[in-house]
Amino acid sequence: KQEVTQIPAALSVPEGENLVLNCSFTDSAIYNLQWFRQDPGKGLTSLLLIQSSQREQTSGRLNASLDKSSGRSTLYIAASQPGDSATYLCAVRPGTGGFKTIFGAGTRLFVKA
Amino acid sequence: DTEVTQTPKHLVMGMTNKKSLKCEQHMGHRAMYWYKQKAKKPPELMFVYSYEKLSINESVPSRFSPECPNSSLLNLHLHALQPEDSALYLCASSPILRTGELFFGEGSRLTVL
Repeated sequence: KQEVTQIPAALSVPEGENLVLNCSFTDSAIYNLQWFRQDPGKGLTSLLLIQSSQREQTSGRLNASLDKSSGRSTLYIAASQPGDSATYLCAVRPGTGGFKTIFGAGTRLFVKA
Repeated sequence: DTEVTQTPKHLVMGMTNKKSLKCEQHMGHRAMYWYKQKAKKPPELMFVYSYEKLSINESVPSRFSPECPNSSLLNLHLHALQPEDSALYLCASSPILRTGELFFGEGSRLTVL
């Protein structure tokens, strides 16, 4: 059964710092992995989608990597800003055993001005 | 247009009321989803429609009744809800069921009195 874990659960950093959020999954048979951002009381905003055949994706200050063999993905945020404060969730689409996307519990990020 | 639109944004209802949540997308996606999210938890899958047919029902109580009138619309009919059903209800869509990027709406905040 696929399980997705995100570490740390919460993170507080000063503005300008580069940071890494971690996501691990137990079954390497995945179709894709997606990173989302969620502001309090709002929906999920898709940040990056990495297909199983890809190693990384970049969008602006964000870079996500995928290592299927080790069951890990990282989201790198460069030069963090207070506006980056949100909860970041990773989600895995399983390659076998059903259609249900599996979400991690998220990392709550606070960037101090 | 990469939008999923949900209405209403907020809904307060009594336990005897009947109400509906609505979701619309015009991206040509053929898979649509309802999720329920409690505070500080990841989204939990409720229902999935693929090509307007119900594909997944995650053992959701019958007081929640989904409907997919056409490929762009998804409804969630609510009847005789309990206070513990108060949550953020999120609609999402993807090109097809198994693969592709998930796009979420802003959610409908439901309060059951």
